[in-house]
Amino acid sequence: ILNVEQSPQSLHVQEGDSTNFTCSFPSSNFYALHWYRWETAKSPKALFVMTLNGDEKKKGRISATLNTKEGYSYLYIKGSQPEDSATYLCAFLNFGNEKLTFGTGTRLTIIP
Amino acid sequence: NAGVTQTPKFQVLKTGQSMTLQCAQDMNHNSMYWYRQDPGMGLRLIYYSASEGTTDKGEVPNGYNVSRLNKREFSLRLESAAPSQTSVYFCATLGGAENEKLFFGSGTQLSVL
Repeated sequence: ILNVEQSPQSLHVQEGDSTNFTCSFPSSNFYALHWYRWETAKSPKALFVMTLNGDEKKKGRISATLNTKEGYSYLYIKGSQPEDSATYLCAFLNFGNEKLTFGTGTRLTIIP
Repeated sequence: NAGVTQTPKFQVLKTGQSMTLQCAQDMNHNSMYWYRQDPGMGLRLIYYSASEGTTDKGEVPNGYNVSRLNKREFSLRLESAAPSQTSVYFCATLGGAENEKLFFGSGTQLSVL
């Protein structure tokens, strides 16, 4: 069983503040690390797919970094807005097959 | 272009009943997945199919069977439903122009009484 872990489990952040959370994953058999944003009553939507050690991706106020050698990725949100409230999921894609395993997610609530 | 279509959206079963959740995609993606969502547990992989005609177990396959008859369709069957299978089920496909990512269906809310 692959261990994909996310921390913290939940987070409350004041509007305007910046925040970050962590995904840790096995450092062997790495192919890709995904980040998804999941709003209540909707389906998850992809934010980033990262494949190379040292990768940094950015979309607006959200960015992510990747360290495949030590097995972690950070997701950063700058200047949090109420619409950022969601659960953020990371997922590890195994090399050699198409098995995509999710972490348990970080539930982010932005306080206006 | 519908993307990933799941049916039904809602279902209530009695313990011991059987049913099949259907998933179809028009995105021409090779890989398809079935996940279940339970509170505090994120998305757990039930089964996946890397290509037409192949299927593999995920983290929680017990009590489920799958069928990938063609590239478009990947169905999930509960032969004898149990209350522990009450969950929201998501089908997804893996693909995309650049780095491949998951595209999800809208989910099936299943209650087993």
